Amino acid sequence: KAGVTQTPRYLIKTRGQQVTLSCSPISGHRSVSWYQQTPGQGLQFLFEYFSETQRNKGNFPGRFSGRQFSNSRSEMNVSTLELGDSALYLCASSLGKDTDTQYFGPGTRLTVL
Amino acid sequence: EDQVTQSPEALRLQEGESSSLNCSYTVSGLRGLFWYRQDPGKGPEFLFTLYSAGEEKEKERLKATLTKKESFLHITAPKPEDSATYLCAFNSGGSNYKLTFGKGTLLTVNP
Repeated sequence: KAGVTQTPRYLIKTRGQQVTLSCSPISGHRSVSWYQQTPGQGLQFLFEYFSETQRNKGNFPGRFSGRQFSNSRSEMNVSTLELGDSALYLCASSLGKDTDTQYFGPGTRLTVL
Repeated sequence: EDQVTQSPEALRLQEGESSSLNCSYTVSGLRGLFWYRQDPGKGPEFLFTLYSAGEEKEKERLKATLTKKESFLHITAPKPEDSATYLCAFNSGGSNYKLTFGKGTLLTVNP
């Protein structure tokens, strides 16, 4: 079974621009979660979607948004990029219960100049 | 507030030298304790899920255990390829579908 895929793998943007990252979950998984990983803060939860509905949101500004499509694929968008948004953005998928294991993709490395 | 602390932050072992990594947690209602391995520049790779105190799981040289306050990842006779950052995380339920992660333990195994 194919794993979680994320595109693009690397991205370089400048301050003020916006970016869209994409995630395709494991086949059959209906939950997609997004995390931001930085050296200082570690892995921090952004949001989670299940059947196109956002069920949970982390403590990030409104510049960070996401959505999920009917085929469970998900996108996250960051508008008005700041230098501090440089990070590894990770997507994880699961079947959808809070006891289910989340499986992570390879991540998208975003660099903001 | 729910939180998780991993120790040590970094650990250097000689090949074959067994040790344990600690994950201490404070959570009102644990729905699952997860261990992941992460190599530089890659996404976390799932290792184990533990659900209740007393539970143990093994995979090759790794064994994870769970008590009411902490989890241990025991590494027996490690090899250089076991070098990675090991992350623990929990899900506290209550309509929380997120994982709360510790900062990780960077393990280096020297040949």
